[in-house]
Amino acid sequence: EAGVVQSPRYKIIEKKQPVAFWCNPISGHNTLYWYLQNLGQGPELLIRYENEEAVDDSQLPKDRFSAERLKGVDSTLKIQPAELGDSAVYLCASSLEGLGTQYFGPGTRLTVL
Amino acid sequence: AQKITQTQPGMFVQEKEAVTLDCTYDTSDQSYGLFWYKQPSSGEMIFLIYQGSYDEQNATEGRYSLNFQKARKSANLVISASQLGDSAMYFCAMREPHHTGTASKLTFGTGTRLQVTL
Repeated sequence: EAGVVQSPRYKIIEKKQPVAFWCNPISGHNTLYWYLQNLGQGPELLIRYENEEAVDDSQLPKDRFSAERLKGVDSTLKIQPAELGDSAVYLCASSLEGLGTQYFGPGTRLTVL
Repeated sequence: AQKITQTQPGMFVQEKEAVTLDCTYDTSDQSYGLFWYKQPSSGEMIFLIYQGSYDEQNATEGRYSLNFQKARKSANLVISASQLGDSAMYFCAMREPHHTGTASKLTFGTGTRLQVTL
């Protein structure tokens, strides 16, 4: 069974540029999560989807971050404009249902210059 | 608020030996879940083991076992017969209680870097 797929794996951009990350969850998983992992820290939840609905986006900086999961399958996380402090690893995870075990993708390492 | 504490920034263990990675948590709720994940240098978070707060038996999964001491609020990971491939960051995480609106949110500790030596 394929795991969570993320792309790109690495992204280097200049500040003030836009950037987007893509995630395809494990087939059949209706819950999808985006986490932010700063260097030397554990991941922190940005947003959680149940199917197409964002049910927890309280930690998402909405002035520059946006996310969508239009058909309840894959998802895109966008930052516009990117700032130096956004340099981090962005992890996507999915679970069969809201209380199920979360399985993570390989992450996207973002560097903002 | 939920809180996870991992006090060991780094640990060394010899190959084939057992090692314990510490994790303590803080919650006033009775219902919660505890997880351990492994993060190798490739970056992916790999699920290792889960313990529910009402589970009476300590969870085991192959060479991994979870030493769950509810009264002490600790959930230490024990890796037996360490292998070179076990070298990685290890994160303890807690899932918030079922009755909250963010029941599936995981709160992670800062991790422990394990290095397995020959």
